[in-house]
Amino acid sequence: QVPLQESGPGLVKPSQTLSLTCTVSGGSIGSGSYYWGWIRQPAGKTLEWIGRVDATGTSNYNPLFTSRATISKGPSDNQFSLKLSSVTAADTAVYYCARVIGGPLFDSWGQGTLVTVSS
Amino acid sequence: QSVLTQPPSVSGAPGQRVTISCTGNSSNIGAGYDVQWYQQLPGAAPKFVIYGNNYRPSGVPDRFSGSKSGTSASLAITGLQAEDEADYYCQSYDNSLSVVFGGGTKLTVL
Repeated sequence: QVPLQESGPGLVKPSQTLSLTCTVSGGSIGSGSYYWGWIRQPAGKTLEWIGRVDATGTSNYNPLFTSRATISKGPSDNQFSLKLSSVTAADTAVYYCARVIGGPLFDSWGQGTLVTVSS
Repeated sequence: QSVLTQPPSVSGAPGQRVTISCTGNSSNIGAGYDVQWYQQLPGAAPKFVIYGNNYRPSGVPDRFSGSKSGTSASLAITGLQAEDEADYYCQSYDNSLSVVFGGGTKLTVL
């Protein structure tokens, strides 16, 4: 398991783009056979998978987010990012980044960051 | 409504055994995909306690066990302790090409 840390604005206006970065401690995300993913959790609700990126930069998404989400490697070698466009109040949630292996299994998680969509 | 169905809550007294069910269908659990279980303490990120249906990571007490049969899976906790009070989520994969989670179960230790 590795430490991960999310960062980004805690407040985003409706219709704008939510942008978050995840920093992974201990090395480049381009090495190893891992995926790197984003999951969100609205207050009092369950977890929702958004998508993932692999070491080559190839991304896969939950069909619910395909039209609005972009997950990519960078800006640094040990970072990956999430962009979610055209946000509404329904996108208000705690956003987690995580390392993904096998099954898939989310074996390491960031502490989470609350993003509120409000004008 | 979540793809995987869990009871909203379960409870038990210290020392007792509780089980949490996770019901899917032929597109996810029934299709042979592994089931993972996560424990989420209040205000914290989830942490996996069972992976690959029935494997326990190092550091998780052997009081935790998992099983899978057909389109369902279960998490069992024996010798219940106060520190086990948390939300528990099952997770698998679906033929729709998506990771899926259960709705979550709140475990209360009486």
